[in-house]
Amino acid sequence: KTQVEQSPQSLVVRQGENCVLQCNYSVTPDNHLRWFKQDTGKGLVSLTVLVHENDKTSNGRYSATLDKDAKHSTLHITATLLDDTATYICVVVDRGSALGRLHFGAGTQLIVIP
Amino acid sequence: DMKVTQMPRYLIKRMGENVLLECGQDMSHETMYWYRQDPGLGLQLIYISYDVDSNSEGDIPKGYRVSRKKREHFSLILDSAKTNQTSVYFCASSSRSSNERLFFGHGTKLSVL
Repeated sequence: KTQVEQSPQSLVVRQGENCVLQCNYSVTPDNHLRWFKQDTGKGLVSLTVLVHENDKTSNGRYSATLDKDAKHSTLHITATLLDDTATYICVVVDRGSALGRLHFGAGTQLIVIP
Repeated sequence: DMKVTQMPRYLIKRMGENVLLECGQDMSHETMYWYRQDPGLGLQLIYISYDVDSNSEGDIPKGYRVSRKKREHFSLILDSAKTNQTSVYFCASSSRSSNERLFFGHGTKLSVL
């Protein structure tokens, strides 16, 4: 059973536009949530970590929110650039099992066009 | 320089051959992971290692084994590779003491013909 669902599956935006990526999960107990960026053929690069209820983080043009009650997170990308084209992966870390298992979403493929 | 290094980056093997994927990290992280990534799926955990010689099966361990004889090094071994093991394999490491410290390697693309 998929415990981390991301939407949309894919998204096309024009350069300069804003976009929002969604992550819903059922992992319990949820310790913290991470967003990663994966360029085609590359490894995962951490964008942000959300730990506490109603956490909000900002990393340049990336900002994220976490609602632990709703088990929901959003990743906002402001003023998109062509280099933002990538797959964005939501990962929920649980501490209930032995030492921090990672639960991965399948990713949202973002394509930024000129 | 904090990083996870995977070798090789690309590998082509024939069905039935043995495969060794290597992963190293320079951060003294206790926990290391091996995942595979297939199109349309999230990363799937093959094995997790909590420290030297302390390894546990993940969600899809069948057909794989691992070795961790030093904290900084974690190997994934495929004895008699199968065509359905064609995938991209990622190694990761994390520290128990900090939520920030989770790093991934660049991946090894394995093709089994």
